[in-house]
Amino acid sequence: QQQVKQSPQSLIVQKGGISIINCAYENTAFDYFPWYQQFPGKGPALLIAIRPDVSEKKEGRFTISFNKSAKQFSLHIMDSQPGDSATYFCAAVSGNTPLVFGKGTRLSVIA
Amino acid sequence: GAGVSQSPSNKVTEKGKDVELRCDPISGHTALYWYRQSLGQGLEFLIYFQGNSAPDKSGLPSDRFSAERTGGSVSTLTIQRTQQEDSAVYLCASSSTAYGYTFGSGTRLTVV
Repeated sequence: QQQVKQSPQSLIVQKGGISIINCAYENTAFDYFPWYQQFPGKGPALLIAIRPDVSEKKEGRFTISFNKSAKQFSLHIMDSQPGDSATYFCAAVSGNTPLVFGKGTRLSVIA
Repeated sequence: GAGVSQSPSNKVTEKGKDVELRCDPISGHTALYWYRQSLGQGLEFLIYFQGNSAPDKSGLPSDRFSAERTGGSVSTLTIQRTQQEDSAVYLCASSSTAYGYTFGSGTRLTVV
């Protein structure tokens, strides 16, 4: 059973455009929703995270939107740059259980 | 060092051989996790150590897989009688809270 569903699998965005990646979950006990960024040959690195008591969190060009009733959350990358080209993973966790990850989105930002 | 260190970075082994993968977590991090990343499959949880508690082994795919953590620090993931489907990148992460994972760069295992 896939607990966190992520889409799209891959995404191509023009430089300066907005990249949007979506995730959905089923387990209402999840209480922390991070996004990880992974470059080739490296491990995933925490990018931004949100808790379900807020609907939006912004850090620079990166914004998480959270819809608790729909059990969905999304990552928006504003003014996308070629350096943002990477694989992005959404994840969710409840208490002291291990993070559950989506299957990832490969983002390519083209000039 | 300041980060999570994994060794070796690459490992090629023959089918049927045993392999050991090592993880050096960040000093002071009480939690340590192993994940497996296969092409297009995201990150699959394998095993989780928290302090002196019994490890959560619920993600181990078969009894050929085992892991230990010595002295609450270094961890070794062992795969016995490797199969071609074991080929993947094995990632280790550590954290001091339930949420702030820091990942190593992984070990790329290729079984030929």
